[in-house]
Amino acid sequence: GAGVSQTPSNKVTEKGKYVELRCDPISGHTALYWYRQSLGQGPEFLIYFQGTGAADDSGLPNDRFFAVRPEGSVSTLKIQRTERGDSAVYLCASSPKGRRNTEAFFGQGTRLTVV
Amino acid sequence: TQLLEQSPQFLSIQEGENLTVYCNSSSVFSSLQWYRQEPGEGPVLLVTVVTGGEVKKLKRLTFQFGDARKDSSLHITAAQPGDTGLYLCAGGGSGGSNYKLTFGKGTLLTVNP
Repeated sequence: GAGVSQTPSNKVTEKGKYVELRCDPISGHTALYWYRQSLGQGPEFLIYFQGTGAADDSGLPNDRFFAVRPEGSVSTLKIQRTERGDSAVYLCASSPKGRRNTEAFFGQGTRLTVV
Repeated sequence: TQLLEQSPQFLSIQEGENLTVYCNSSSVFSSLQWYRQEPGEGPVLLVTVVTGGEVKKLKRLTFQFGDARKDSSLHITAAQPGDTGLYLCAGGGSGGSNYKLTFGKGTLLTVNP
């Protein structure tokens, strides 16, 4: 596709369950980012991939959150033992270069609701 | 921790009016970006400014980066209903973390016909 694609668009899960959120970046983009946007807030940085490796995971709130990008393209954000406070829109973005280019192209997000 | 404060938080105006929104910080940023976000969508990049004092124009939108690279403004001339949306500013980190964007909370603009 032409843009960053995120699936699912919406996810409702019960407290304590495990969820996976998928991001398909723009073809050829080597950098991939995950952000989280809570209601009434701007996006907050979670993790940055350059190729297959997580170059910066300093924004992950705790060890229940983990992300992978095994082939340097699609990425999956994984959340274990979900809590109601994890409810937010999870945004994925990609850019064509790495550290020198911060012009990120965002997907439409996955709205996660933990009940 | 770098923080960006945006003002006003909400703005409702009539079509044809001019407006300015602000983005301020006590920190220096390597770059400053403005995004527009519509409900149910991700932010869409409008502009990137990197040099202190830089001014960029995009049709009816004028963006300015402060001389000290700590603040920015977005001015819209003759606003139209299609300008309605959440305007977010985002600062690029300094040094080796310029990829990491710090976002403000946004200004929610409503332009009434």
